[in-house]
Amino acid sequence: KNEVEQSPQNLTAQEGEFITINCSYSVGISALHWLQQHPGGGIVSLFMLSSGKKKHGRLIATINIQEKHSSLHITASHPRDSAVYICAVSSLSGGGADGLTFGKGTHLIIQP
Amino acid sequence: DADVTQTPRNRITKTGKRIMLECSQTKGHDRMYWYRQDPGLGLRLIYYSFDVKDINKGEISDGYSVSRQAQAKFSLSLESAIPNQTALYFCATSDSGRGVGNQPQHFGDGTRLSIL
Repeated sequence: KNEVEQSPQNLTAQEGEFITINCSYSVGISALHWLQQHPGGGIVSLFMLSSGKKKHGRLIATINIQEKHSSLHITASHPRDSAVYICAVSSLSGGGADGLTFGKGTHLIIQP
Repeated sequence: DADVTQTPRNRITKTGKRIMLECSQTKGHDRMYWYRQDPGLGLRLIYYSFDVKDINKGEISDGYSVSRQAQAKFSLSLESAIPNQTALYFCATSDSGRGVGNQPQHFGDGTRLSIL
C-alpha cells in the first residue's frame, strides 16, 4: 500500500508570500493529484500529473518521479487561498482499483 | 447545477438505523467512488464502480453496501449504523481513460453524517 506523507501539516503565512507544500510517496505511481478542500468541505481537483510541471494561474505543481516527491507552490498568496490542500496518488500496483490513496492534507491559512 | 450531487448534505441518526446516501452525476462518467473522511485521517475508499454492472470493495468496505442503479447514480448504504461511522462522506466520478487513476476525479460537496 502506498504511503503518502504531506508537509507541513499546518501553515500560516502572510498575504503575498510564496507557499510550498510537499508530498512524498513510497511506491511507484501512475499519477499524482493535488486537491483543494474549501472550509465548507467541497473538494476540487487542482492538478493531475505524472511527470514534470504544470501551472494554472498562481498555482504550480511539480513532480520528481525518481525521488517520489511532488510540490505544490502558490505565488503571491491571497486569503482566498486558505484551504486544506490534499495530495493523492494512483499506485501502479493498485490491484485494479482506480481509487486514490490520500495524504492527510495541509491546512493553509493566509492572513491579510 | 453541480455536476456531482450528493443527498442529503447533512444527516443525524441513531445507532442501528439504516441509512442511504445518494450520489448522482451529470458528467457522463463511467467510474464512480465513495470515500469517507475522518478528522486527522486522509480520505479512504469505501467502494468503487467502473460501470453499471461492476462493483468493487475499497479499503474500508465493512459495514457498507452500494448500488449502481444507472450510469449516473451510485448509492451508499449503512445497513445498521454505528457511531464510528460518523464521518464526512464524498462521492466522486472520473472518466474511464487509459491506465489506472490517470483521470481527474470530480467530487460532490459531501454528506456530513452523525450517528448518535
